[in-house]
Amino acid sequence: DIQMTQSPSTLSASVGDRVTITCRASQTISSWLAWYQQKPGKAPKLLIYKASILESGVPSRFSGSGFGTDFTLTINSLQPDDFATYYCQQYDSFVTFGQGTKVEIK
Amino acid sequence: QVQLQESGPGLVKPSETLSLICSVSGASISSYNWNWIRQPAGKGLEWIGRIYNTESTNYNPALKSRVTMSVDTSKNQFSLELTSVTAADTAVYYCAKSGSGSSFYPYWDWGQGTLVTVSS
Repeated sequence: DIQMTQSPSTLSASVGDRVTITCRASQTISSWLAWYQQKPGKAPKLLIYKASILESGVPSRFSGSGFGTDFTLTINSLQPDDFATYYCQQYDSFVTFGQGTKVEIK
Repeated sequence: QVQLQESGPGLVKPSETLSLICSVSGASISSYNWNWIRQPAGKGLEWIGRIYNTESTNYNPALKSRVTMSVDTSKNQFSLELTSVTAADTAVYYCAKSGSGSSFYPYWDWGQGTLVTVSS
């Protein structure tokens, strides 16, 4: 099984900050990685897939990078709507999610 | 526009079988991959499994012995059965649509989720 390790678990930031979340796979997954945003009581929302492709309608302040085992999600100029929990997901072999990163207001 | 809606009992007794249905509109159940994911309160997401090509399945190895998924093409629905449930199976259960074919894909469309509590 492929394990996904996200860090940090919690991140405190202010509006306007640049935020980076990392996700590491236990074995290489090429670019088969997605990022989701989840708000309380709601289903996750796809932000990025294939490591760096921005889903239609997602603001350009979100970006993803990485290949193989190490990946990052960056949010440039954090907005009030961005305070949420973020999950990475590998879909190279079956599906596994990271444990999540909660972005909270500093 | 694709819409998914989970339905089923909100309360299941320990050792019994959890059964959920996901009703799909805006996409043919005969195409695409159809997935179940769950999330215990305050915790992360866990992939349960998928069904594709109406009868091919892959399940999370940790749950494989207890999971069955199926498709009802006449109703454009797919279903989840999880046997021998315990309190650890208490979670919000989501259904989701992904790409078509045997590869795995991200989830573009999700249902709103349904809370299932396992308790006597």
